[in-house]
Amino acid sequence: DQQVKQNSPSLSVQEGRISILNCDYTNSMFDYFLWYKKYPAEGPTFLISISSIKDKNEDGRFTVFLNKSAKHLSLHIVPSQPGDSAVYFCAAPVGGNAGNMLTFGGGTRLMVKP
Amino acid sequence: GAVVSQHPSRVICKSGTSVKIECRSLDFQATTMFWYRQFPKKSLMLMATSNEGSKATYEQGVEKDKFLINHASLTLSTLTVTSAHPEDSSFYICSARSRTSGSSEQYFGPGTRLTVT
Repeated sequence: DQQVKQNSPSLSVQEGRISILNCDYTNSMFDYFLWYKKYPAEGPTFLISISSIKDKNEDGRFTVFLNKSAKHLSLHIVPSQPGDSAVYFCAAPVGGNAGNMLTFGGGTRLMVKP
Repeated sequence: GAVVSQHPSRVICKSGTSVKIECRSLDFQATTMFWYRQFPKKSLMLMATSNEGSKATYEQGVEKDKFLINHASLTLSTLTVTSAHPEDSSFYICSARSRTSGSSEQYFGPGTRLTVT
């Protein structure tokens, strides 16, 4: 049973607008979450993370929000740029340590139109 | 940041042959490496966790005799797909766990595209 889920397989956004990617999880023991960006035929690259002691973490154009009661997190990208077009995965480490094995959501393909 | 390399980046092999994929941490020591597999348009699925000097821990459903993992040093782990079949065609990605300055993160390799004909 998938513990981290991304229910939207794809998202299309106009350049300059906000992109919102959503992620839900079922395991209430998860206390750390990461977002990865992946281009075709490349490995994932780390984007941003958030600890469960926070409800928001911001890094430049990227902000991650965490709603623990709803077991939901979202990644906001603003303003969106064509170079942001990629597949985005949310992930949670089993055991809470970022170095532990990760369980990934199914990914959301973001397409930013110029 | 920490760099993880994989070799080869792309390999085509005939059915029944074996293929070895290398994963190296270039500028840090990796006590733990992870091997993932990605099917087309699917998420990353963890195959196994590899600890230096010990046997790998495989996820449920992953055949340990088919996917041989060796983590002989702190900078190298190898995945050997034995007696490969077309259904083994996939994108294989490794990640390495670094412990530097009190932090603990995973760094991903660029991936290896395996095509079995």
